[in-house]
Amino acid sequence: AQSVAQPEDQVNVAEGNPLTVKCTYSVSGNPYLFWYVQYPNRGLQFLLKYITGDNLVKGSYGFEAEFNKSQTSFHLKKPSALVSDSALYFCAVRDMLAAGGFKTIFGAGTRLFVKA
Amino acid sequence: GAVVSQHPSRVICKSGTSVKIECRSLDFQATTMFWYRQFPKQSLMLMATSNEGSKATYEQGVEKDKFLINHASLTLSTLTVTSAHPEDSSFYICSASRGRGGELFFGEGSRLTVL
Repeated sequence: AQSVAQPEDQVNVAEGNPLTVKCTYSVSGNPYLFWYVQYPNRGLQFLLKYITGDNLVKGSYGFEAEFNKSQTSFHLKKPSALVSDSALYFCAVRDMLAAGGFKTIFGAGTRLFVKA
Repeated sequence: GAVVSQHPSRVICKSGTSVKIECRSLDFQATTMFWYRQFPKQSLMLMATSNEGSKATYEQGVEKDKFLINHASLTLSTLTVTSAHPEDSSFYICSASRGRGGELFFGEGSRLTVL
């Protein structure tokens, strides 16, 4: 079965510094990988995805992620963090089902705290 | 991006009553919608996959008779928590996808509190 792991419960970074939120995956076949962000008491918002193509994927709000097949990682990055980036971030993988459907498996989430 | 609307955002009910949560895709047709449950400071737990015109597919451990899902049209799926109890209190989130390889679009979530 497909799975993703987010090894850090929380990441702390100072405003203006680069940030990285880690994600590793375990899939059979080609991975469909996603990052989502959740603000308090809200639904999730899509940030970016990797399906195929360039390993460096650019997404919303200045975020990007690098797909690394050899390390089975898909870390989320941003060159300069903002206080408003403080939120809960989820890595996810698409699990294609034998019957033709699919479901999305989420990591445990990493809380990002950006200090002014 | 696509818009998914979820209603109500908050609901408080008495133990034993039933609560219905609606999820609508406003600007696209969603043949498949997903219902998740999220406990405080935890990840999303997939409860069921809602398929338009057919029965929902429930994840292991989720009670079908407890959490009734209806996907009557291409833009509306509903989750009914029947005979709610305090342990059903949670944050429920729906989502929809426009394609098999695409991202999910989420509703704003519904916080259910059962007294």
